[in-house]
Amino acid sequence: AQSVTQPDIHITVSEGASLELRCNYSYGATPYLFWYVQSPGQGLQLLLKYFSGDTLVQGIKGFEAEFKRSQSSFNLRKPSVHWSDAAEYFCAVGDNFNKFYFGSGTKLNVKP
Amino acid sequence: DVKVTQSSRYLVKRTGEKVFLECVQDMDHENMFWYRQDPGLGLRLIYFSYDVKMKEKGDIPEGYSVSREKKERFSLILESASTNQTSMYLCASSMTSATGELFFGEGSRLTVL
Repeated sequence: AQSVTQPDIHITVSEGASLELRCNYSYGATPYLFWYVQSPGQGLQLLLKYFSGDTLVQGIKGFEAEFKRSQSSFNLRKPSVHWSDAAEYFCAVGDNFNKFYFGSGTKLNVKP
Repeated sequence: DVKVTQSSRYLVKRTGEKVFLECVQDMDHENMFWYRQDPGLGLRLIYFSYDVKMKEKGDIPEGYSVSREKKERFSLILESASTNQTSMYLCASSMTSATGELFFGEGSRLTVL
């Protein structure tokens, strides 16, 4: 069965520091992978997605993610975090039947 | 700009009441979804629809039903609300494509007393 694991529930980083949020998935075929961000009281906004090709994908707001098939991972990174990045981040995998499976989310806190 | 609109941002209902959550999308998307979001559990799929009048159960359909009479509108119905249905409900839509991303509404926070 498809599943997504985000092992870190909360992460705190200082403003200007680098960030990496972890995501591992379980899926039998080629996965379609997504990262979404949710600001407090809001819906989810797509940061980036991977379908095929280059395993390093660029997204909005300076985020990038790397697909590693051998590790079943799709970690999200940002070289320098801004206070406005404080939010909850969700990793998701989509299947060939238009269904999506989400991780439990990682809440990012940014220290000034 | 693409838009998914959920009619109610906040609702307070009593146990046993019938509750309707409405969602409208303006992108002509074939697929629409209802998710429930609870702390520490992420998003769990309740129902989805890939065409008008079509619906499929997701992972947690118990206690819910849905209606899709028009392509742009997807309603979630709680026939008899219970306190354990207090949650954030998110509607989303996507194109019929394996690569179609989800577009989300802002959510409806339901409290059942």
